Amino acid sequence: GQNIDQPTEMTATEGAIVQINCTYQTSGFNGLFWYQQHAGEAPTFLSYNVLDGLEEKGRFSSFLSRSKGYSYLLLKELQMKDSASYLCAVLDSNYQLIWGAGTKLIIKP
Amino acid sequence: GAVVSQHPSWVICKSGTSVKIECRSLDFQATTMFWYRQFPKQSLMLMATSNEGSKATYEQGVEKDKFLINHASLTLSTLTVTSAHPEDSSFYICSAITGGAGNQPQHFGDGTRLSIL
Repeated sequence: GQNIDQPTEMTATEGAIVQINCTYQTSGFNGLFWYQQHAGEAPTFLSYNVLDGLEEKGRFSSFLSRSKGYSYLLLKELQMKDSASYLCAVLDSNYQLIWGAGTKLIIKP
Repeated sequence: GAVVSQHPSWVICKSGTSVKIECRSLDFQATTMFWYRQFPKQSLMLMATSNEGSKATYEQGVEKDKFLINHASLTLSTLTVTSAHPEDSSFYICSAITGGAGNQPQHFGDGTRLSIL
C-alpha cells in the first residue's frame, strides 16, 4: 500500500527554527509537495521537490532524499502566522497525489 | 497567477436539498480539476478527478449518483451534492492544475463549508 507519515503535531517558539519530517512509501515517485493549510482554509502551495537536495525559498526550505523516502520542511524565523497545518503529498507513478495527514504546527510567543 | 475561485464559501440547508458548488479557474485553463472533502482535523480526501469534456473519475467509495460532477469548460467544474443529509456536512475543496504536465502543483479554491441540518 501507499503510505505517508508525518508527525501529528509540533510546537515551536516564535523566532525559532522548526523541521517537519515526512517519510513515504509509494508506488513510484514523481515528486513531493508541501502545502500550508490554515484552519478553516484551503491549502496553499509551498514547494515541490523531485531531485535530491535542498530547495530554499525565503524562510522556508524543503529537502528531499529519494533513496531514503524522506523529506523535511524547514521553517526559519518563525512567526505567529506560521501556525497552521503542513501537508506533505507525493506524486506516485500514475501521477496520483497521495496526501499525508498533515502536521499541526503551534507557535508560542 | 493560477487563481481558483470557489463558490459558495458557506452553505447551510435542510436535509434533502441538493447543493451545487462551483469551481472556476480565473486566469488559466484547467484541463484537470480535483474535488476533495475534509472532515475536522483530518487530511484531504480525494473524491474525484474531473477532466474537461469527459466523465469524472471517482475514488473508491464515493457515490457517483450522490456527488455529480460536471466539467463543461476549461474554466469551470461543478459539484452537486444531491439530496444532502447531515452526514454530508463537510468542507469541500476544489483544485486545478495548469498545463498537461502531471507534476504541476494543484491550486486550491477557498473551499465550501457545507452544513446540512
